[in-house]
Amino acid sequence: DTGVSQDPRHKITKRGQNVTFRCDPISEHNRLYWYRQTLGQGPEFLTYFQNEAQLEKSRLLSDRFSAERPKGSFSTLEIQRTEQGDSAMYLCASSQRDRAYEQYFGPGTRLTVT
Amino acid sequence: AQTVTQSQPEMSVQEAETVTLSCTYDTSESDYYLFWYKQPPSRQMILVIRQEAYKQQNATENRFSVNFQKAAKSFSLKISDSQLGDAAMYFCAYLQGAQKLVFGQGTRLTINP
Repeated sequence: DTGVSQDPRHKITKRGQNVTFRCDPISEHNRLYWYRQTLGQGPEFLTYFQNEAQLEKSRLLSDRFSAERPKGSFSTLEIQRTEQGDSAMYLCASSQRDRAYEQYFGPGTRLTVT
Repeated sequence: AQTVTQSQPEMSVQEAETVTLSCTYDTSESDYYLFWYKQPPSRQMILVIRQEAYKQQNATENRFSVNFQKAAKSFSLKISDSQLGDAAMYFCAYLQGAQKLVFGQGTRLTINP
């Protein structure tokens, strides 16, 4: 068990470009969560999956954001036409379905939009 | 909607001393979970301690303990015998709908040697 991994760890992009992040959960975890953390704030929930089904999306997840988990394993989060306000740390967490109270976090992807 | 409030943006403590971080929350649910997470600089979020609301006994993990006051909706974290490695951002969190975590704004804890 190697824990939750995220790739890349850092991403610098220019405004208007598209970016995609990847999260690999702990292997036996069928729930996967995405959170966003802006500088000096606590993380905010974006969306979560149970297996391949996306069960909830936050209002924070605008139309420019899309998340997928096609085979119920890894997940991708894509941001289209990035804006400076998208600069943040994007955190991924995973848990077993009936143990949402045990969410394990990855190291995060820090996005900087210039 | 549930909210979590941490009123102390920064705290500092002398090494080996005890410090208490405060957290209040708002909910209409009767059964829920509360957490304290630690986020060291440039490192990932780590669970420090968890409390189930239906349990009256306060949770304890080694040097970390909580004071859970359900009626007052208060959930403070006490760190005893503070160590340099305890320096981090600490986040109080609530598990909403048994699904997603709602976090407070965080408290930056500094340990003075």
